[in-house]
Amino acid sequence: SQQGEEDPQALSIQEGENATMNCSYKTSINNLQWYRQNSGRGLVHLILIRSNEREKHSGRLRVTLDTSKKSSSLLITASRAADTASYFCAVNRDDKIIFGKGTRLHILP
Amino acid sequence: NAGVMQNPRHLVRRRGQEARLRCSPMKGHSHVYWYRQLPEEGLKFMVYLQKENIIDESGMPKERFSAEFPKEGPSILRIQQVVRGDSAAYFCASSPQRGTGELFFGEGSRLTVL
Repeated sequence: SQQGEEDPQALSIQEGENATMNCSYKTSINNLQWYRQNSGRGLVHLILIRSNEREKHSGRLRVTLDTSKKSSSLLITASRAADTASYFCAVNRDDKIIFGKGTRLHILP
Repeated sequence: NAGVMQNPRHLVRRRGQEARLRCSPMKGHSHVYWYRQLPEEGLKFMVYLQKENIIDESGMPKERFSAEFPKEGPSILRIQQVVRGDSAAYFCASSPQRGTGELFFGEGSRLTVL
């Protein structure tokens, strides 16, 4: 089974609103990463947060990590049409990097 | 500095034929991962390779699938005697270090089995 599970599976919001996606995982991790995938394209790395970090920012992205709850969240502020994509969390297990099933985000004009 | 290059981008095969998917990692990267993605789903880990070594193939089907990453040349994912259920997008990703950092993805190879 996949190590990371995103929630919700799909999310539609108005342009300009904030989008929050969550990821839960099952075992201890070294780090957790978030990726974006535009339709028909490869994945693009967004941000990596280490197990000893609680929060990290990159532009309009904010990621939190709660290792006690084995969960992470990705917040995209002031959403834009170009943010429409699928978002995946990924965790290390042994030497493998395991992806969740993703959240499909749709930004409405 | 070219990114991860995958070819072919699209491949059509009839049942029973062989499919070969190639992946050239980013310059300086010696770690390659292969993933499979079905429509509207996440990426399923298949195999992790370093140059000339298979490190973890726990996600590979036991039969018909094989992968290699030779000392020279691209990594190859080979599917023998393809069946309709093999139709999917296959993504390759590379990394400069072992299993802990950012992955750089190619644009994928889309296999259609008729």
